[in-house]
Amino acid sequence: GENVEQHPSTLSVQEGDSAVIKCTYSDSASNYFPWYKQELGKGPQLIIDIRSNVGEKKDQRIAVTLNKTAKHFSLHITETQPEDSAVYFCAATPNQAGTALIFGKGTTLSVSS
Amino acid sequence: DGGITQSPKYLFRKEGQNVTLSCEQNLNHDAMYWYRQDPGQGLRLIYYSQIVNDFQKGDIAEGYSVSREKKESFPLTVTSAQKNPTAFYLCASSSTGQETQYFGPGTRLLVL
Repeated sequence: GENVEQHPSTLSVQEGDSAVIKCTYSDSASNYFPWYKQELGKGPQLIIDIRSNVGEKKDQRIAVTLNKTAKHFSLHITETQPEDSAVYFCAATPNQAGTALIFGKGTTLSVSS
Repeated sequence: DGGITQSPKYLFRKEGQNVTLSCEQNLNHDAMYWYRQDPGQGLRLIYYSQIVNDFQKGDIAEGYSVSREKKESFPLTVTSAQKNPTAFYLCASSSTGQETQYFGPGTRLLVL
């Protein structure tokens, strides 16, 4: 089955810096890769996702890149702000409706002002 | 407002007791999921359901049970067989043909 590894587990940056979180996956059949942001005591919120027919996707300060050959994908946050502080999870799944997501263990991002 | 609701926000379980966590969605989604989250861990799948009256075990189903009698509802029962139930429980749903899952606010279960 699928296995997702996420690094680093914690990341501290200064406000305005960029942050990069990386994930690798094991199942070459996986072709949907979402990223979630989870604030303390709340459920995860989808912030961006990418499908395997695309190499990069951007949404304002957030971007995701995918390397299918190497089986890794990354989240890039530019111009970080204190409100970006949260736990970020990557996930992967084969492109089948109703298939559960396999999650990485999360990255705690701290942005200090 | 459309969305996923979970109740209660906090739940306390006594030794040997079964407790049920509620999950309701008004997004008209066919698929629903239950995940367990432990500190420093990712989300692990307990059960999922792709359609009413059908559900499948996830990676950590032992000690849990579910039902799917209505499209909108997917309750999770934590049975006395689950020896380490303290965790944050998250319900999610997705639309037919779509992989994107949307999560509820979660229920924190604590053992007295």
